[in-house]
Amino acid sequence: GENVEQHPSTLSVQEGDSAVIKCTYSDSASNYFPWYKQELGKRPQLIIDIRSNVGEKKDQRIAVTLNKTAKHFSLHITETQPEDSAVYFCAASIAGGTSYGKLTFGQGTILTVHP
Amino acid sequence: DTAVSQTPKYLVTQMGNDKSIKCEQNLGHDTMYWYKQDSKKFLKIMFSYNNKELIINETVPNRFSPKSPDKAHLNLHINSLELGDSAVYFCASSLGNSNQPQHFGDGTRLSIL
Repeated sequence: GENVEQHPSTLSVQEGDSAVIKCTYSDSASNYFPWYKQELGKRPQLIIDIRSNVGEKKDQRIAVTLNKTAKHFSLHITETQPEDSAVYFCAASIAGGTSYGKLTFGQGTILTVHP
Repeated sequence: DTAVSQTPKYLVTQMGNDKSIKCEQNLGHDTMYWYKQDSKKFLKIMFSYNNKELIINETVPNRFSPKSPDKAHLNLHINSLELGDSAVYFCASSLGNSNQPQHFGDGTRLSIL
């Protein structure tokens, strides 16, 4: 089955710096890659997603890049703010077939933004 | 007007008991999921239903039995609770299973004494 590795496990940055979180996946059939943000005691919230027919997607300070050949994708947060502090999860899934859109999550990255 | 709502939010019970968690979504979605988040924050899918039909059943002990009375509801019943069942259980929903965004509920924190 699919395996998703996420690095780093913890990331500490100063306010205003950029943060980058990287994930690799094992199944070349994966074609959907969402990123979730989870604040302490809260639910995971989708912040951005990318499909395999696109190499990059941006939404204000957040961007995601996908390299299908290398089977890795990354989350980029620019101009970080203290409210960006949270656990970030990457995930991968395969549309349809026997996988039925099952999301396989990475291990999570604890991002801390220091004022 | 919570989109995906779970009850209860907290569940504290003793080993060996049977308990249920309920989930309802008002997004008009047809696919619902149960995830387990352990103490290390790892999120893993347990079950998925599409239009009341079970479509994903991961390697979960058969003490866990999901039930979907209609496509807006997915409940989780757990028999003979064990210490290792302590976790946060999240319900989620999506429109179809073809890589549409999944929306999560607020979670149910289950603690086994």
